[in-house]
Amino acid sequence: GAGVSQSPRYKVAKRGQDVALRCDPISGHVSLFWYQQALGQGPEFLTYFQNEAQLDKSGLPSDRFFAERPEGSVSTLKIQRTQQEDSAVYLCASSLGWQNTGNTIYFGEGSWLTVV
Amino acid sequence: GQNIDQPTEMTATEGAIVQINCTYQTSGFNGLFWYQQHAGEAPTFLSYNVLDGLEEKGRFSSFLSRSKGYSYLLLKELQMKDSASYLCALSGGSYIPTFGRGTSLIVHP
Repeated sequence: GAGVSQSPRYKVAKRGQDVALRCDPISGHVSLFWYQQALGQGPEFLTYFQNEAQLDKSGLPSDRFFAERPEGSVSTLKIQRTQQEDSAVYLCASSLGWQNTGNTIYFGEGSWLTVV
Repeated sequence: GQNIDQPTEMTATEGAIVQINCTYQTSGFNGLFWYQQHAGEAPTFLSYNVLDGLEEKGRFSSFLSRSKGYSYLLLKELQMKDSASYLCALSGGSYIPTFGRGTSLIVHP
């Protein structure tokens, strides 16, 4: 597609519920990133994929967070047993890949998660 | 590790020029980005600097000094629509961009 697409745009979950957030990156982009952004803060890194390989998941805040990209394109971020502190915007971004000059990342519009 | 510092908030007048500074510490360096983020929207790419000096792109320019760990974003001929958060992001040794907390710019008439 023309840009990074994320769904759902808005999600209200009850505490303890599992949620799944989807990201469809720009076609041909090798690298995919997930960030979490709290109100008034900059995006915080969660995890990074190069094709289907998850090369870095050091930013995932707990083992309740899980991400996958099984075919090297669409990615899903799953949060199990949601807690109120999980309320944030989850941003997906993609890039051509680090081996290209200008490894600029392009963001989707985000999934706004509210846990009640 | 990496550390990025930028002012929390700035105000400026429509038509004026504003400079938003970003200082950083990092063990590896592969470029510095600036992004613009309007409230409720995703960050959009403004500029990328990997070599020292000034990169000009229309009303926006970005400067980098690697030896000083310093960058700035210069916005000229400010418009009301430039009111937004401006994010400085560092691409370090891992090529994973790390973001500062952003500078909220308020442009008033």
